[in-house]
Amino acid sequence: DGGITQSPKYLFRKEGQNVTLSCEQNLNHDAMYWYRQDPGQGLRLIYYSQIVNDFQKGDIAEGYSVSREKKESFPLTVTSAQKNPTAFYLCASSMYIYNEQFFGPGTRLTVL
Amino acid sequence: GDSVTQMEGPVTLSEEAFLTINCTYTATGYPSLFWYVQYPGEGLQLLLKATKADDKGSNKGFEATYRKETTSFHLEKGSVQVSDSAVYFCALGTIQGAQKLVFGQGTRLTINP
Repeated sequence: DGGITQSPKYLFRKEGQNVTLSCEQNLNHDAMYWYRQDPGQGLRLIYYSQIVNDFQKGDIAEGYSVSREKKESFPLTVTSAQKNPTAFYLCASSMYIYNEQFFGPGTRLTVL
Repeated sequence: GDSVTQMEGPVTLSEEAFLTINCTYTATGYPSLFWYVQYPGEGLQLLLKATKADDKGSNKGFEATYRKETTSFHLEKGSVQVSDSAVYFCALGTIQGAQKLVFGQGTRLTINP
């Protein structure tokens, strides 16, 4: 089955530690995205990548980093510089020339 | 810049009631419009879409019509079920510039039996 996988579903980390969230897609999509969702709020774009080895900052990139070494993978690192990292993180992908995005199931990160 | 404004929630209805969730947008160019649904603890699922003016998107009994003259894309369903309880997001996308979607803040819908 084609789709987007995110792992793990729940992640706990101590304050001050970096943590990497995984996102993999087998839809052969060119573009991939990371969003942050806080309780009762909409989605805010962290980073996006339209092709391999290229990515751009979204609206709230500070304290996050990404890489896009393979078309199917777009990992997100939440660094210790992110002031309030506890949130639900969603990964998405789309074909390059279309805007419809497909979402993964999300990772809930809790920093203790 | 581009923006989406959704009806504030939460919205609570009884089963079999008629549903409308309002969505208006501001955009340059000719955006595509989307409705996504999010069930508790899950990611977003595309519910329906429309790519040009006067298009009607429909799925699972939900409908929305792309109204360019009123810059709106209201979501409707004639008879809601308990299983429709979720958060609904309106979004727009444009191929001008980067391939990004702009989301509304979401509307939480609860259907009581």
